[in-house]
Amino acid sequence: DAKTTQPTSMDCAEGRAANLPCNHSTISGNEYVYWYRQIHSQGPQYIIHGLKNNETNEMASLIITEDRKSSTLILPHATLRDTAVYYCIVRAAYSGAGSYQLTFGKGTKLSVIP
Amino acid sequence: DTAVSQTPKYLVTQMGNDKSIKCEQNLGHDTMYWYKQDSKKFLKIMFSYNNKELIINETVPNRFSPKSPDKAHLNLHINSLELGDSAVYFCASTPGEGRYGYTFGSGTRLTVV
Repeated sequence: DAKTTQPTSMDCAEGRAANLPCNHSTISGNEYVYWYRQIHSQGPQYIIHGLKNNETNEMASLIITEDRKSSTLILPHATLRDTAVYYCIVRAAYSGAGSYQLTFGKGTKLSVIP
Repeated sequence: DTAVSQTPKYLVTQMGNDKSIKCEQNLGHDTMYWYKQDSKKFLKIMFSYNNKELIINETVPNRFSPKSPDKAHLNLHINSLELGDSAVYFCASTPGEGRYGYTFGSGTRLTVV
């Protein structure tokens, strides 16, 4: 899987948008961008994924640059419950070996401040 | 209903003991995984099973033996526990090949004393 680079930590005021960047300059054409988060002492939680178009769901929006070398996860109105470590992962949907593993990096620790 | 459930949630045991962690998913997924999260919070894959067949074994000591009696269950048995095995173990599942997201369990915190 291609490697990603994320800031170690970020702060966001409650109620404001949280914009979490991710660089993936070596991404391949068949690799998707996935975002997960891990709230303290819980299992990782899937947030969103995309290939090249921007995506939106009930949790967040994903903006992928045209060259696909970077992306931004947007939490439109951050709450205290969004405090977590956010992981950006790139991965091919079809590995050809029957293995679909996610490789986690260090992620970004987002602190939402009252 | 919990989608991916692990038991037990906490496990404290002495060095040298043998223990098992169980995982069950009720999502109808074909692929299941075990991940280990160490004290530095790195999440690393250990095993992957697809329809009861072992797909990935990521250089895990052979003291760790996964067993999948059916595609809804993936258990992890650990022999001769060592201090370094202390970690949080997460089970996860996906429908299979494709761009699906993973569903993780809530984790089993193993402490070896």
